[in-house]
Amino acid sequence: DIQMTQSPSSLSASVGDRVTITCRASQGIVGSLAWFQQKPGKAPKSLIYGASSLQSGVPSRFSGSGSGTEFTLTISSLQPEDFATYYCQQYRSIPITFGQGTRLEIK
Amino acid sequence: EVQLVESGGVLAEPGGSLRLSCAASGFTFSDHYMDWVRQAPGKGLEWVARVRNRARSYTTDYAASVKGRFTISRDDPENLLHLQMNTLRTEDTAVYYCARVQTGTYDLDVWGQGTTVTVSS
Repeated sequence: DIQMTQSPSSLSASVGDRVTITCRASQGIVGSLAWFQQKPGKAPKSLIYGASSLQSGVPSRFSGSGSGTEFTLTISSLQPEDFATYYCQQYRSIPITFGQGTRLEIK
Repeated sequence: EVQLVESGGVLAEPGGSLRLSCAASGFTFSDHYMDWVRQAPGKGLEWVARVRNRARSYTTDYAASVKGRFTISRDDPENLLHLQMNTLRTEDTAVYYCARVQTGTYDLDVWGQGTTVTVSS
């Protein structure tokens, strides 16, 4: 199985900050990487697929990059609604696997 | 509007069985692979199972933790996805989400709101 490791596990930031979350795969996954946002009691919401493609309707302050084994999610200017938990996911091979999550909190 | 709505989550006893359903609307259900993903209380996301479409002979895959106990299936004429859960364990307690696999890109682009399964005596 491909292991996905996110860092940091938690992050405190302020509205307007630029934040970056990193995700590393235990083996190469080319660009088969997605990022999800999850708020308490809600279903995950797809933000990015193919490592860097924005899902329809997702604000442009979200961006993704990377290929192979190292990927990043960047939020260019944090908004109040962005405080949530973020997960990366590889879908290169079965079983699909997720990172452990990064909890983004208000400083 | 593209929508997935899960149902069937209840309190079940260890060793028992349960069947979850997911009703799809707003898209051509039969074209898409479909997945189940779960989330135990306070934990991260865990992929559970996949069923492919008719073009791929409805083949299935399972996580090791549920293989041999859970069965994923689909009813394309009724736009329904199912998860038959047998020999339930306390560690199966989770919110279960169905998710659509996007055609061509294979990412999980649409998720339901989830249904809660609690396994306890």
